[in-house]
Amino acid sequence: GEDVEQSLFLSVREGDSSVINCTYTDSSSTYLYWYKQEPGAGLQLLTYIFSNMDMKQDQRLTVLLNKKDKHLSLRIADTQTGDSAIYFCAESKTGTASKLTFGTGTRLQVTL
Amino acid sequence: NAGVTQTPKFQVLKTGQSMTLQCAQDMNHNSMYWYRQDPGMGLRLIYYSASEGTTDKGEVPNGYNVSRLNKREFSLRLESAAPSQTSVYFCASISGDKYNEQFFGPGTRLTVL
Repeated sequence: GEDVEQSLFLSVREGDSSVINCTYTDSSSTYLYWYKQEPGAGLQLLTYIFSNMDMKQDQRLTVLLNKKDKHLSLRIADTQTGDSAIYFCAESKTGTASKLTFGTGTRLQVTL
Repeated sequence: NAGVTQTPKFQVLKTGQSMTLQCAQDMNHNSMYWYRQDPGMGLRLIYYSASEGTTDKGEVPNGYNVSRLNKREFSLRLESAAPSQTSVYFCASISGDKYNEQFFGPGTRLTVL
């Protein structure tokens, strides 16, 4: 199966850390991605991780991958109001015309 | 570079009307995709084109047709619109490098009455 699941909503206070979680079922995934969608806009790639990595850090973003549990998380440090958006995880596999399977998206609300 | 562009931005149709959503990319990407986004369901793939001259069905192709006019352009046609096709439609193209970043257009918000 190719289901990718996320919780629908997360609320955090400005300055706190946000952790957005994702579970996937396809163990043959090669790359896993986090996309950000701001209101009224398309999706933009935030970061990605190759399936043979456990962690990737990029400035305020930390991606953790637990292959055994098929669990992916995105941690945003020092969350700002500009981080309010919908966050999608996605997976891809080689040999599938680079098709991505997206999760349902997590809406992050940052409060003052 | 304009990236991925889509027209129109908004459209209202009556049930049974037809229309074509246009998409173009200027990044010389081979693969292009059409998705629909519905609340609580994420993005679902309608059709994709792995290269110029080829098209394939995605997860939810019923009620749609596509044309890969040339390398730049990939259009989505609704022959007889239905209220169930009310959605936001996104076109995307893929970089083709090793991590295959997808670049998205701004979307078309379609309402079918």
